[in-house]
Amino acid sequence: LAKTTQPISMDSYEGQEVNITCSHNNIATNDYITWYQQFPSQGPRFIIQGYKTKVTNEVASLFIPADRKSSTLSLPRVSLSDTAVYYCLVASRYGGSGNTGKLIFGQGTTLQVKP
Amino acid sequence: ETGVTQTPRHLVMGMTNKKSLKCEQHLGHNAMYWYKQSAKKPLELMFVYNFKEQTENNSVPSRFSPECPNSSHLFLHLHTLQPEDSALYLCASSPRAGVRDRLYEQYFGPGTRLTVT
Repeated sequence: LAKTTQPISMDSYEGQEVNITCSHNNIATNDYITWYQQFPSQGPRFIIQGYKTKVTNEVASLFIPADRKSSTLSLPRVSLSDTAVYYCLVASRYGGSGNTGKLIFGQGTTLQVKP
Repeated sequence: ETGVTQTPRHLVMGMTNKKSLKCEQHLGHNAMYWYKQSAKKPLELMFVYNFKEQTENNSVPSRFSPECPNSSHLFLHLHTLQPEDSALYLCASSPRAGVRDRLYEQYFGPGTRLTVT
């Protein structure tokens, strides 16, 4: 499974747009890019996934360049409640060994939104 | 609410106790997972079940014993734990149905905060 690299922490202010970039140089053809959000003492929450170009949902946008070696999660107009850890993961649609859906979580990016 | 429930939410147990964690998903998924999250560490995958069959054991010590009686329920039986096993234990599920698998889209429960004394 491809390893991902993302900033350890970021600060922002309410109302700003936040962009978190993740690099995944060894992404494979069958891999999807997935982002999760985790609040303290809670399980991670699936935010968005994409394969290439741009994906947008009610929570965020995901930008993926043509070479797919990086991706950027964009959170529009953040609020205090967006303070959380954001994980970038690369996962095969068909899972890791034995077709299991194995996800490898790294340290993530701790986003602190200030008033 | 993610559709995945876990009980108990908090558990304190001695090193000689036997306890079980329970997970139930109401999403119709067929893949279920146990993860461990220790303080200041990334989530670690422990076990994976697909259609009730264990498909992954990530070198987990035998004092952790999973059980999956059906696609909606997952248990983690605990026996003779160590203080370093204190952590947040998370259960997750994901949809899989042949070519429409979305195994990367996992839905997590709120977790069980386990303290081993």
